[in-house]
Amino acid sequence: DAGITQSPRYKITETGRQVTLMCHQTWSHSYMFWYRQDLGHGLRLIYYSAAADITDKGEVPDGYVVSRSKTENFPLTLESATRSQTSVYFCASSSVRTNYGYTFGSGTRLTVV
Amino acid sequence: DQQVKQNSPSLSVQEGRISILNCDYTNSMFDYFLWYKKYPAEGPTFLISISSIKDKNEDGRFTVFLNKSAKHLSLHIVPSQPGDSAVYFCAASAGGGGADGLTFGKGTHLIIQP
Repeated sequence: DAGITQSPRYKITETGRQVTLMCHQTWSHSYMFWYRQDLGHGLRLIYYSAAADITDKGEVPDGYVVSRSKTENFPLTLESATRSQTSVYFCASSSVRTNYGYTFGSGTRLTVV
Repeated sequence: DQQVKQNSPSLSVQEGRISILNCDYTNSMFDYFLWYKKYPAEGPTFLISISSIKDKNEDGRFTVFLNKSAKHLSLHIVPSQPGDSAVYFCAASAGGGGADGLTFGKGTHLIIQP
């Protein structure tokens, strides 16, 4: 299906484990983003990417790693999960064609126990 | 320090009336502003945007007003409908139209009362 999909929708992991959240878009949008949503903080930017193999840190990058080997995929990896990384994670994409209006995925709810 | 502020965590409005959601910003470099709407268990969806060279943008029932001198923008919804009940996020970009990320406010939960 066309669009932007995130997987898994829900994930429970233990402290110290590595976990990867997947994001896939079918529009060939150049730009992709990872945000986390926490109560009292709104949406905060973790990492973003302007194109394949180009990534940059956002506001809250510590503890996260990203890669973008293909335009359509932008996985987010928590190298050693901590309880403070319990959150809802949203992936988004955009392009000049959309006047930079972001399209968001449905989110991944991650719980670190 | 928060650069985009939505000071009302929630707002209750009667169906058919006007809903006004407010947003303030502190960064003078912001030149592009957007509103997103979010339902529970879904991602935010783009609603309307405005460039800093304009002071108003309208799209159907939704109008965004920008007051640069006051560093304030507002979203007007007229008339309000039950389906408008959602969390609304104000977002801003400092150049590049959001290509290097948008800065979001904390959101305002709009509740439309029947």
